[in-house]
Amino acid sequence: ETGVTQSPTHLIKTRGQQVTLRCSSQSGHNTVSWYQQALGQGPQFIFQYYREEENGRGNFPPRFSGLQFPNYSSELNVNALELDDSALYLCASSLGRGVGGGYTFGSGTRLTVV
Amino acid sequence: AQTVTQSQPEMSVQEAETVTLSCTYDTSENNYYLFWYKQPPSRQMILVIRQEAYKQQNATENRFSVNFQKAAKSFSLKISDSQLGDTAMYFCAFMNPLNNAGNMLTFGGGTRLMVKP
Repeated sequence: ETGVTQSPTHLIKTRGQQVTLRCSSQSGHNTVSWYQQALGQGPQFIFQYYREEENGRGNFPPRFSGLQFPNYSSELNVNALELDDSALYLCASSLGRGVGGGYTFGSGTRLTVV
Repeated sequence: AQTVTQSQPEMSVQEAETVTLSCTYDTSENNYYLFWYKQPPSRQMILVIRQEAYKQQNATENRFSVNFQKAAKSFSLKISDSQLGDTAMYFCAFMNPLNNAGNMLTFGGGTRLMVKP
């Protein structure tokens, strides 16, 4: 059973650019959630995808968008990058929207915006 | 909106001793889940223990146990016989299964635990 894989592990982008982060969910999981973890803070929920549709969204602007593919892998896209977007982006997969927990997290993508 | 507070930014404990990490939360819901996650330097969040609010019995997982006080909205984690591998950031998290925002986890700010040899 494979876990959650995120790519790339590290990324440096310039303010104003666009970035795409990728996540492969654990085998058998059909739900992917994305979290942003700023340095020294706890993760904050960005959004969740269940069966290729957005299933919930946190307090993030529309320039944060996502996709889920038929194989349940997912992408997080961020447009018009700002310095405050520098953070660790965590992906978590689960079965059936993750009610009650049961999330498997990846090791994250460290994004630095300069 | 739910909030989760961890009042201890850093803690340390001697190997083999016991340490307790504190967490309080605020919610108007009656049914919810609480979690403790461990985040080692590898950055992956690892589930340590889970508590369902409707269960009065405190959850236990080997050396890890919780003290769940629903009325006080308190959810502390006790680590017994601390090991060097327990050194990590620990996050308390809350989930309201009726939240329309996708069963999101609301995390506290974390406690950095150092286990000393």
